[in-house]
Amino acid sequence: EDKVVQSPLSLVVHEGDTVTLNCSYEVTNFRSLLWYKQEKKAPTFLFMLTSSGIEKKSGRLSSILDKKELFSILNITATQTGDSAIYLCAVSPFNYQLIWGAGTKLIIKP
Amino acid sequence: NAGVTQTPKFRILKIGQSMTLQCAQDMNHNYMYWYRQDPGMGLKLIYYSVGAGITDKGEVPNGYNVSRSTTEDFPLRLELAAPSQTSVYFCASSSSDTYEQYFGPGTRLTVT
Repeated sequence: EDKVVQSPLSLVVHEGDTVTLNCSYEVTNFRSLLWYKQEKKAPTFLFMLTSSGIEKKSGRLSSILDKKELFSILNITATQTGDSAIYLCAVSPFNYQLIWGAGTKLIIKP
Repeated sequence: NAGVTQTPKFRILKIGQSMTLQCAQDMNHNYMYWYRQDPGMGLKLIYYSVGAGITDKGEVPNGYNVSRSTTEDFPLRLELAAPSQTSVYFCASSSSDTYEQYFGPGTRLTVT
């Protein structure tokens, strides 16, 4: 059965800290892995990763994929209170469906 | 370009009532999806569609029905609402050449 597992499920850090969120997967016919950020409403897209070892970066956020070990990490440096959210990882085994992890709830304390 | 729109934003239903959640997208996307998200949980796929006239079940389809008569619209029908259907419902769409899904703002449904 295809599955996506995120860890930790929740994390509390102080502003300025660096955090690493994990996403491991077991899917057939892997095509891509996506990261989303969900605040109090709909998920918004962060990154899509398809190739191993190539870091995607956007400001203080970065992500990398390891297709051999079947995982991805999302790093957030110099965290701010606005980074508080649920971070969702999803994997595409086909060209239109996504298998979603349960998410990591990140709380940044001032 | 409004993206993905959903109505209503909130709704309270009594057990046994029916309703339709509306979803529309103006990006000419072929693929559309309905998810539900329970508190503290990830997204569960209810139904999806790969084009007008084509729909298929996702992970949790029981108690729901969909139709896709046009590319733009993908309504979700709840028949005989039950408390277990209390959730936040998201509609999403994607094009055929990318896996990125665009989400609507969600409908918060309470069944009492």
